[in-house]
Amino acid sequence: KNQVEQSPQSLIILEGKNCTLQCNYTVSPFSNLRWYKQDTGRGPVSLTIMTFSENTKSNGRYTATLDADTKQSSLHITASQLSDSASYICVVSGLDTNAGKSTFGDGTTLTVKP
Amino acid sequence: KAGVTQTPRYLIKTRGQQVTLSCSPISGHRSVSWYQQTPGQGLQFLFEYFSETQRNKGNFPGRFSGRQFSNSRSEMNVSTLELGDSALYLCASSLAGAAFEQFFGPGTRLTVL
Repeated sequence: KNQVEQSPQSLIILEGKNCTLQCNYTVSPFSNLRWYKQDTGRGPVSLTIMTFSENTKSNGRYTATLDADTKQSSLHITASQLSDSASYICVVSGLDTNAGKSTFGDGTTLTVKP
Repeated sequence: KAGVTQTPRYLIKTRGQQVTLSCSPISGHRSVSWYQQTPGQGLQFLFEYFSETQRNKGNFPGRFSGRQFSNSRSEMNVSTLELGDSALYLCASSLAGAAFEQFFGPGTRLTVL
């Protein structure tokens, strides 16, 4: 069964600090991996999307890395801001029999405190 | 370019009733997917429509159904509502399909009493 596991489940950091969120997946063969940010009660917003040939992608203070060999991805947030407080969701899509299907992680809830 | 819109934004129903939610995708996007999100839970995939055809379906009972119109707008219907159906229902539109970059709407918050 395809799985996407995110860690930690929740994280509290001080404003201005950096943090890294993890995503491990078993989806194979792999098509792409996406990170989304979801504010409470709102729809997710895309941060990055990476295919198997990409190992890093940046979007402002957000940098995602991908190791397709170990099936791991991370999302690094630099110089955190209060507005970074949200849930971060990792989504992995497959090929072949899994084509057209996406597997969602349960998300990491990040709280940035002043 | 206008984003994904969902109506209504909030809805209160009682057990046994039925409800219809609407989603208008980004212009030019032919794929619309629906997700259920309950407190503390991840997004659960309901189904995807592409060019008026259901392309994929999640593990939800038959009470959950959907359709897509020729203008790509989509509706989701839930019949015989149960308390456990209370959730945030999100739709996402995509140019290429649910396995690619998706743009989510703000969601419809359904409360079943």
